[in-house]
Amino acid sequence: EAGVVQSPRYKIIEKKQPVAFWCNPISGHNTLYWYLQNLGQGPELLIRYENEEAVDDSQLPKDRFSAERLKGVDSTLKIQPAELGDSAVYLCASSRTSGSFYNEQFFGPGTRLTVL
Amino acid sequence: QQQVKQSPQSLIVQKGGISIINCAYENTAFDYFPWYQQFPGKGPALLIAIRPDVSEKKEGRFTISFNKSAKQFSLHIMDSQPGDSATYFCAASTGNQFYFGTGTSLTVIP
Repeated sequence: EAGVVQSPRYKIIEKKQPVAFWCNPISGHNTLYWYLQNLGQGPELLIRYENEEAVDDSQLPKDRFSAERLKGVDSTLKIQPAELGDSAVYLCASSRTSGSFYNEQFFGPGTRLTVL
Repeated sequence: QQQVKQSPQSLIVQKGGISIINCAYENTAFDYFPWYQQFPGKGPALLIAIRPDVSEKKEGRFTISFNKSAKQFSLHIMDSQPGDSATYFCAASTGNQFYFGTGTSLTVIP
């Protein structure tokens, strides 16, 4: 089966500009995660969706970050305006919460954002 | 507050040696403990995982040892190879909430 797809893979923008990341999870995976990964650190959750509902967005900086998951499949994460400190890798992951594969999580390749 | 503490931060092992990475947690509600391997420019990939009802799980050269009473678990890589050089993350989860360690950069010297 196809893995988690993310685009773009790399993005370079000036500070104060907007940026958006797109994620297509594995088919049939109803749970979708967006993580932030700083250099040399583990992934940190930004938001988790169960189908189209955001069930955990406590770590999402809502003044500048927004996310949506229309129809419970693809998801978009947006930053507006971007700040220098937002430079990081943004990872998308998905999992299926049924059957024998309960909470096994699969990651996409990530989008590396550089804010100048 | 770091939910999962991982050590060491970096590890250098000779080819053929054993690599050992340790993790500790506090939340007894965690019920799934995966290990991920990440190569530069790639997303983390699930390597091996364990549930707390067993003390050890082995898949090829990779073994997880789990100590429920001590709330610790570790990854052992037997016969380490240069191709194992990567960053390894432990994680713990309850339901669909995952918490990751800070990672261990493993270098296997030929």
